[in-house]
Amino acid sequence: DTEVTQTPKHLVMGMTNKKSLKCEQHMGHRAMYWYKQKAKKPPELMFVYSYEKLSINESVPSRFSPECPNSSLLNLHLHALQPEDSALYLCASSPGTSGGSGANVLTFGAGSRLTVL
Amino acid sequence: AQKITQTQPGMFVQEKEAVTLDCTYDTSDPSYGLFWYKQPSSGEMIFLIYQGSYDQQNATEGRYSLNFQKARKSANLVISASQLGDSAMYFCAMREFRMDSSYKLIFGSGTRLLVRP
Repeated sequence: DTEVTQTPKHLVMGMTNKKSLKCEQHMGHRAMYWYKQKAKKPPELMFVYSYEKLSINESVPSRFSPECPNSSLLNLHLHALQPEDSALYLCASSPGTSGGSGANVLTFGAGSRLTVL
Repeated sequence: AQKITQTQPGMFVQEKEAVTLDCTYDTSDPSYGLFWYKQPSSGEMIFLIYQGSYDQQNATEGRYSLNFQKARKSANLVISASQLGDSAMYFCAMREFRMDSSYKLIFGSGTRLLVRP
């Protein structure tokens, strides 16, 4: 079983809906990430939270709004999405963001597959 | 800018044989980390193996080994004794450092491996 849990596994929403993706980890990791993956493409980084503060925003449109309520939880709030936003959204966590240690391996969740109609 | 290249979109291998998946990278940083992840059709990204730029020996993890040739800037993944469950997409990734000492993982385009019985 994955140690990073994402819910829901599948989500279908209209362009006017507001929904949220949730991610939870209990490994004591201090960095959490959102990646977006389109079909047959590699994952692309969206956001990084380090110690519950947003440290990287890869110029993501404001219709995606991340939130890190505590060190174990990461949310992605979705509003007024477009059909091209349909993708697999992967959450990941790591012990930290800094340094060159191999211990900073990203552990990924199983993903939330989003379809925007 | 850092770059990861995987030139094999798809590979076939016979069950129980070994297979090499190619990965080349480009960076001007002396300190970097290289990763391989496996992504089955279920979507989860599974960490396989890590190689640090200063590591003297090639990394090994069970049936996985990394053929690290620093001068050639290559980090090929070798899977020995292939199993049917090895059929998946494989991504090579490099840890890219930023000015604020945080980092992001950049992925190659991936290689789809199919193991034949």
